[in-house]
Amino acid sequence: DQQVKQNSPSLSVQEGRISILNCDYTNSMFDYFLWYKKYPAEGPTFLISISSIKDKNEDGRFTVFLNKSAKHLSLHIVPSQPGDSAVYFCAAREGNTPLVFGKGTRLSVIA
Amino acid sequence: GAGVSQTPSNKVTEKGKYVELRCDPISGHTALYWYRQSLGQGPEFLIYFQGTGAADDSGLPNDRFFAVRPEGSVSTLKIQRTERGDSAVYLCASSFGTGVGEQYFGPGTRLTVT
Repeated sequence: DQQVKQNSPSLSVQEGRISILNCDYTNSMFDYFLWYKKYPAEGPTFLISISSIKDKNEDGRFTVFLNKSAKHLSLHIVPSQPGDSAVYFCAAREGNTPLVFGKGTRLSVIA
Repeated sequence: GAGVSQTPSNKVTEKGKYVELRCDPISGHTALYWYRQSLGQGPEFLIYFQGTGAADDSGLPNDRFFAVRPEGSVSTLKIQRTERGDSAVYLCASSFGTGVGEQYFGPGTRLTVT
């Protein structure tokens, strides 16, 4: 049973527009959420995180929104750039337990 | 500075053979994690070390899998009697501690069992 779900395997966006990647979770005890970006043949790279006590965290072009009542978080990338094309993983943890990852969403930013 | 490194980058082995995968974490990182990523899936936790000891090995799929970190730095993941289902990318990550914060991943070892 997947505790972290990324229901869109892929997403295509025009350069300059907004990319919205979604993630749902089932474990209400998760208290920390992270987004990782992965290029081919490389390991995942940390992008941005959010604690469950917040509902928004922003870092440059990247913003993560958390809706605890809906058990949903999203990553917004504005404006999208071709270099953002990668697989994005949502991950969550409860306290000091290991990270639980979603299956990933492949983002393609078209120039 | 140097990131997490993993060797080999690719390993092809025959079913039933023994393999060792190595991870060199970022210097000074006390926590080290092993994950397995199968095709079309996200990374799945296997085991993590705090220093030399395995703090949580609940993700190891069975007793064919074993990992060590004898000096609290380099770690080796060992797989006995490999099976075709073990084929995956094995990722290692390290962090300063196990509190909130990001883990830094290596590029992974792609294991193919024929």
